[in-house]
Amino acid sequence: EADIYQTPRYLVIGTGKKITLECSQTMGHDKMYWYQQDPGMELHLIHYSYGVNSTEKGDLSSESTVSRIRTEHFPLTLESARPSHTSQYLCASSGGQGAIEKLFFGSGTQLSVL
Amino acid sequence: DQQVKQNSPSLSVQEGRISILNCDYTNSMFDYFLWYKKYPAEGPTFLISISSIKDKNEDGRFTVFLNKSAKHLSLHIVPSQPGDSAVYFCAASINSGYALNFGKGTSLLVTP
Repeated sequence: EADIYQTPRYLVIGTGKKITLECSQTMGHDKMYWYQQDPGMELHLIHYSYGVNSTEKGDLSSESTVSRIRTEHFPLTLESARPSHTSQYLCASSGGQGAIEKLFFGSGTQLSVL
Repeated sequence: DQQVKQNSPSLSVQEGRISILNCDYTNSMFDYFLWYKKYPAEGPTFLISISSIKDKNEDGRFTVFLNKSAKHLSLHIVPSQPGDSAVYFCAASINSGYALNFGKGTSLLVTP
């Protein structure tokens, strides 16, 4: 069973607020990812990190930012939330052994911006 | 530009029967393919994978078939159970360990 945790599970917030979505994993994985998903749509990669102090933007442009100061922690920040940011945000990590590295996902944060 | 396509948004199957979920991809560089299962308000969980050097991988009731020439893969669930009702995502990557490209998912409903 994967040990990757996201908080909060649900967040309803007003426009213009600054928010941070937390993601932590206890598996010692080097690689961590943030995906964004809207209902009925594919998961879009918005940020990824292959190790401490390494972050890159994903395929989908996002106004959010991330940091990776510790291996286990990969928070995502929105400086000024807008209704267009309403979505589900999924954090994942990988780094296991085997021919195919599996991504382990957290339970997600459902963000609603009013 | 969507590189992984699941053209059936939903599928309904009777309990005990076979469920077949399909996935097509456009990028011939993909060499690792995975299926994830997702329940509402939860994150996806890994189900089964296959590398491009194989054309079949089996794990219990779940079998994935890969047809590289057609750029097509399918997930077979036999026999289907009500607990299998979920959204199934097909995903692909170039080189294991890199970020995955996901399809839009197929919602499977297994009825008693």
